[in-house]
Amino acid sequence: EDKVVQSPLSLVVHEGDTVTLNCSYEVTNFRSLLWYKQEKKAPTFLFMLTSSGIEKKSGRLSSILDKKELFSILNITATQTGDSAVYLCAVYTGTASKLTFGTGTRLQVTL
Amino acid sequence: ETGVTQSPTHLIKTRGQQVTLRCSSQSGHNTVSWYQQALGQGPQFIFQYYREEENGRGNFPPRFSGLQFPNYSSELNVNALELDDSALYLCASSSNTRYEQYFGPGTRLTVT
Repeated sequence: EDKVVQSPLSLVVHEGDTVTLNCSYEVTNFRSLLWYKQEKKAPTFLFMLTSSGIEKKSGRLSSILDKKELFSILNITATQTGDSAVYLCAVYTGTASKLTFGTGTRLQVTL
Repeated sequence: ETGVTQSPTHLIKTRGQQVTLRCSSQSGHNTVSWYQQALGQGPQFIFQYYREEENGRGNFPPRFSGLQFPNYSSELNVNALELDDSALYLCASSSNTRYEQYFGPGTRLTVT
């Protein structure tokens, strides 16, 4: 059975800190890994990673994939209170055309 | 460009009843996937529709069924509701040529 594990489960940091969120996976027929931010309801797409070692960057957020060790990290630098959310990692597999999600990391950024 | 929309926003049903949830896909997208998200959990894949046919299914019983229409909008039907069906139901649309899925705001279903 496909499995995606995220750590830590929750995190409280001060504004301005840098955080690293982890995602490991064990799936068959890997196609890509996706990161989403979920604040209230709709998960918002952040990144999709398909190739190892190529960093994707958007503002203060960046992510990288290691297909040999089967994990990805999401970095957020200079955190702001608006970064408070649940960050979801999901893996797209060719079988059943589905995304398999982890349980998420709940990030709280305090002043 | 119109994003993914879902209706209704909230719904309260009684155990044993049936419910229909609706989703309109983002313009240019022809694939719709449905997910169930229980409190504190990640979304769980229910099924996916492409060209009006089911294109993959997760571990959900047959009382969860769906439809996709020629305009790519979709419905999720759940029969014989159980208390454990209480969850946020998310619809996501995508293009069949790309992997990114874009989510709607969800329908919060409460079964009492």
